[in-house]
Amino acid sequence: AQKITQTQPGMFVQEKEAVTLDCTYDTSDQSYGLFWYKQPSSGEMIFLIYQGSYDEQNATEGRYSLNFQKARKSANLVISASQLGDSAMYFCAMREGVGYSTLTFGKGTMLLVSP
Amino acid sequence: ETGVTQSPTHLIKTRGQQVTLRCSSQSGHNTVSWYQQALGQGPQFIFQYYREEENGRGNFPPRFSGLQFPNYSSELNVNALELDDSALYLCASSSYRGQETQYFGPGTRLLVL
Repeated sequence: AQKITQTQPGMFVQEKEAVTLDCTYDTSDQSYGLFWYKQPSSGEMIFLIYQGSYDEQNATEGRYSLNFQKARKSANLVISASQLGDSAMYFCAMREGVGYSTLTFGKGTMLLVSP
Repeated sequence: ETGVTQSPTHLIKTRGQQVTLRCSSQSGHNTVSWYQQALGQGPQFIFQYYREEENGRGNFPPRFSGLQFPNYSSELNVNALELDDSALYLCASSSYRGQETQYFGPGTRLLVL
């Protein structure tokens, strides 16, 4: 079973609109972390936002917010006021592990922002 | 800019050859994780080094090996290259065995012919 599921292969949004990228996860751990990374065509993974499993408030970082619904095991990324530079692949990832922690990534969602 | 650097940026090898990829971690970080990202996929964990020792390994064969140096920079070595090894190789720098946020370098694109 996949640990991270991103069901949207591609999303289109107009500049200045908000967009939500979906992510569901599967874990039996009580302590875990959820991340979103942006990957432009250059290849570098850029960290956007983090949500810990025990955090009660949804994480926010500028135009990015994470809609964390623990009971549903979902961690959707919301980008407000999209910009042309937001066009990229977006990956949801989960950190698990005791002793050492690694990231498990979903397959990603390609976001295209049009003028 | 994360401060994580990787070299080379691109590499072309032939099947059966060996390759070494390098990564310099961010200042203050003692953990380096390596990931392989095939075209159209998310990155997959290869292994992690913490304070110069392998600290965890994903589902990759032994011909994938690594090193971490006293300054916490790291190398990924791949022996007996196969066509399926063609991918983007990413290293990520973090503190304390990956328990904190991992910051990625720009990656090395490897093409095996």
